[in-house]
Amino acid sequence: KQEVTQIPAALSVPEGENLVLNCSFTDSAIYNLQWFRQDPGKGLTSLLLIQSSQREQTSGRLNASLDKSSGRSTLYIAASQPGDSATYLCAVPTSGTYKYIFGTGTRLKVLA
Amino acid sequence: GAGVSQSPSNKVTEKGKDVELRCDPISGHTALYWYRQSLGQGLEFLIYFQGNSAPDKSGLPSDRFSAERTGGSVSTLTIQRTQQEDSAVYLCASSLAQGGGRGYTFGSGTRLTVV
Repeated sequence: KQEVTQIPAALSVPEGENLVLNCSFTDSAIYNLQWFRQDPGKGLTSLLLIQSSQREQTSGRLNASLDKSSGRSTLYIAASQPGDSATYLCAVPTSGTYKYIFGTGTRLKVLA
Repeated sequence: GAGVSQSPSNKVTEKGKDVELRCDPISGHTALYWYRQSLGQGLEFLIYFQGNSAPDKSGLPSDRFSAERTGGSVSTLTIQRTQQEDSAVYLCASSLAQGGGRGYTFGSGTRLTVV
């Protein structure tokens, strides 16, 4: 059974800092991994999708890496801004399916 | 459409009433998913539709919950005899390839409150 853990649960940093969010999963037989952002009271916005054959994906100030063998992914945010404040969720499929299991997220607050 | 559309955005209902939540996925997306997010909790998978295949209903919490997808497009999630523990945000997502191979696009959700 796929389980997804995100550390830390919450993070507060001053503006301009580089930061790393962590995601670990128990079953490495995955097709891909996605990182999402959720603003309070809103739906989820897809940030990055990494296929199982890829090591990392980049979009602007965001970089996500994937190490399937160790069951880990990291989301790196460079030069954080107050607008980055949100909950960040990672999601991986359950083994042999495309049914996604979500972590409980990291609540990020970037202080101006 | 340009995105995944869900309606209503908010629904308040009395305990014991039935409710229907609607999801209109992105045109051409063959896969459609329903998730539930309770206050302060993570996302809970409910049901998954892929093309004309039988849906994966393994996440539905009880037989009061059902969903259908007509014509491979619009989906309706029905909750019968609502209970207070059904209060949550119900999120719908769709994807282009089978099982989200190109990633999910989520709607903004329906916030259901059972009083």
